[in-house]
Amino acid sequence: LAKTTQPISMDSYEGQEVNITCSHNNIATNDYITWYQQFPSQGPRFIIQGYKTKVTNEVASLFIPADRKSSTLSLPRVSLSDTAVYYCLVGAPLEAGSYQLTFGKGTKLSVIP
Amino acid sequence: GAGVSQTPSNKVTEKGKYVELRCDPISGHTALYWYRQSLGQGPEFLIYFQGTGAADDSGLPNDRFFAVRPEGSVSTLKIQRTERGDSAVYLCASSLLTGREQYFGPGTRLTVT
Repeated sequence: LAKTTQPISMDSYEGQEVNITCSHNNIATNDYITWYQQFPSQGPRFIIQGYKTKVTNEVASLFIPADRKSSTLSLPRVSLSDTAVYYCLVGAPLEAGSYQLTFGKGTKLSVIP
Repeated sequence: GAGVSQTPSNKVTEKGKYVELRCDPISGHTALYWYRQSLGQGPEFLIYFQGTGAADDSGLPNDRFFAVRPEGSVSTLKIQRTERGDSAVYLCASSLLTGREQYFGPGTRLTVT
């Protein structure tokens, strides 16, 4: 499994766009990039998954450059409720029958009023 | 609808005691997973069930840990002769099918004194 590196923590003011970058230099051809969000005292929650270029859903956008050695999770106009730990995972896509999620330490995002 | 539930939410036990942690997955989800999360770390995979059988128990740290899912729904994680190093949050997740998005419960915080 490809190793991921992301900042340990980030601070942002309410209303700003937040970009969290994850490095995965050894990503394999078949690997997808998935982000999870975890609030205190809760289990992780799936946010978004992508393979290349850009993916957008109602919560976030995921930008993946052509070489796929990094990816950026973008959260538009964060609010206090976005304060959480964000995990970047690299591995087989959801539909491939994979089941073992490999989490790193994640990025602790603190949104300041 | 109801999400994944775990009981108890907190468990304090003495070193050497036996504990059972329960997970109620989302109704109809055939795949069930257990993870363990230590403070400041991401969740770590323990075991995966497809139906009633443990399809992969490679993440269990040693033979003091055992999990069952006798009827393909509720699962129990059992820890014998608990040690202080077993203190962590134990997370359960379920998915409709293997490889699909995993839905996590709130976890059981186990403290071994």
